[in-house]
Amino acid sequence: NAGVTQTPKFQVLKTGQSMTLQCAQDMNHNSMYWYRQDPGMGLRLIYYSASEGTTDKGEVPNGYNVSRLNKREFSLRLESAAPSQTSVYFCASLRPPPSNEKLFFGSGTQLSVL
Amino acid sequence: KQEVTQIPAALSVPEGENLVLNCSFTDSAIYNLQWFRQDPGKGLTSLLLIQSSQREQTSGRLNASLDKSSGRSTLYIAASQPGDSATYLCAVRRLTSYDKVIFGPGTSLSVIP
Repeated sequence: NAGVTQTPKFQVLKTGQSMTLQCAQDMNHNSMYWYRQDPGMGLRLIYYSASEGTTDKGEVPNGYNVSRLNKREFSLRLESAAPSQTSVYFCASLRPPPSNEKLFFGSGTQLSVL
Repeated sequence: KQEVTQIPAALSVPEGENLVLNCSFTDSAIYNLQWFRQDPGKGLTSLLLIQSSQREQTSGRLNASLDKSSGRSTLYIAASQPGDSATYLCAVRRLTSYDKVIFGPGTSLSVIP
């Protein structure tokens, strides 16, 4: 049981380049999330997906797109990277009821845009 | 709009001291509140989750309380240890926009041996 797996762990991009951050969970969770974490700002929600085939914007969606490929996978795409997107990105999934509805996080992707 | 704040932003205490971390939220219509721990360069680990119908949860030396009417939660750490040094974040799920989880900025804790 790997939990939530994110790839890559580190990435350096030049301004204008594109890339996709991958996330997969093996816990059969319905809801999945993408957050970015910046110093002093906590985690900010970029996009979330309540179930396979649905996605919704969070607090800071501009410059990002997402795909919920299937129940396991939720990817985040930067079409044209900007220095403001330098951040640590976390994927998470939510354990559904009737269990304790906790969030489970991946280990993060550290992205630098030069 | 739900906003979550945490005070203090940073805290340094000597080993063995009991301490309290605070979390405040602006909209009391919450579904649950969760406390996390984050070690430097790592992901988040869930510590305690309190449902809206509960007043507190305990796990070992940790006790989290919830007062929805005042929009506050506290995380109490008893007999602090150097291994407790980390950033602690609280996160709130609302009754509306059910699936959104909003985080506070965190409290950075240092426990000095």
